Amino acid sequence: EVQLVESGGGLVQPGRSLRLSCAASGFTFDDYAMHWVRQAPGKGLEWVSGISWNSGSIGYADSVKGRFTISRDNAKNSLYLQMNSLRAEDTALYYCAKKDRGGSFDYWGQGTLVTVSS
Amino acid sequence: QSALTQPASVSGSPGQSITISCTGTSSDVGSYNLVSWYQQHPGKAPKLMIYEVSKRPSGVSNRFSGSKSGNTASLTISGLQAEDEADYYCCSYAGSRAVFGGGTKLTVL
Repeated sequence: EVQLVESGGGLVQPGRSLRLSCAASGFTFDDYAMHWVRQAPGKGLEWVSGISWNSGSIGYADSVKGRFTISRDNAKNSLYLQMNSLRAEDTALYYCAKKDRGGSFDYWGQGTLVTVSS
Repeated sequence: QSALTQPASVSGSPGQSITISCTGTSSDVGSYNLVSWYQQHPGKAPKLMIYEVSKRPSGVSNRFSGSKSGNTASLTISGLQAEDEADYYCCSYAGSRAVFGGGTKLTVL
């Protein structure tokens, strides 16, 4: 059974940093690209960032480019999102999602909540 | 990359069919057959319902179908059931990036 478990969320002041983690199990982690998708309270889904199986291809939404860094450790079956210079508008539930061999996200975690507030 | 355009809400009675549209551009929806649809119930994670425009994952009811014409993709739900009431999001994937639609709230009357 595929499982994605996010952690690392919490309350943080504007301008500070936070690192999210996603622990994956139930599939061959290093065969698949992984992504982060967020959802602000009461709002829709927003793609944040994605990383290929070997970290050779990485992409970011314009809203986080230069502030967030995605990475993965295939030996630990883990995905990360380093978030710097956080803003109030980064407040959201952050989902870790597995990308299938096409362009879809076939498995999602339950999310970790990030609240940016003073 | 701008969000794909979806209607904010649609509604239908049990047993009826509804269609949700998703309009993008020639750079995303129109260029690739990598359009997917997600169902999200309140407080739950999104669930993949349609991938590659019209394919259904194992376990998804055949009442759900997808199509695409030009820059617009569509999700059709036939034989509406109360459990279909949820938010639905389209997504287009291209060049290691993805863009979602704004979401459509489906109400089953």
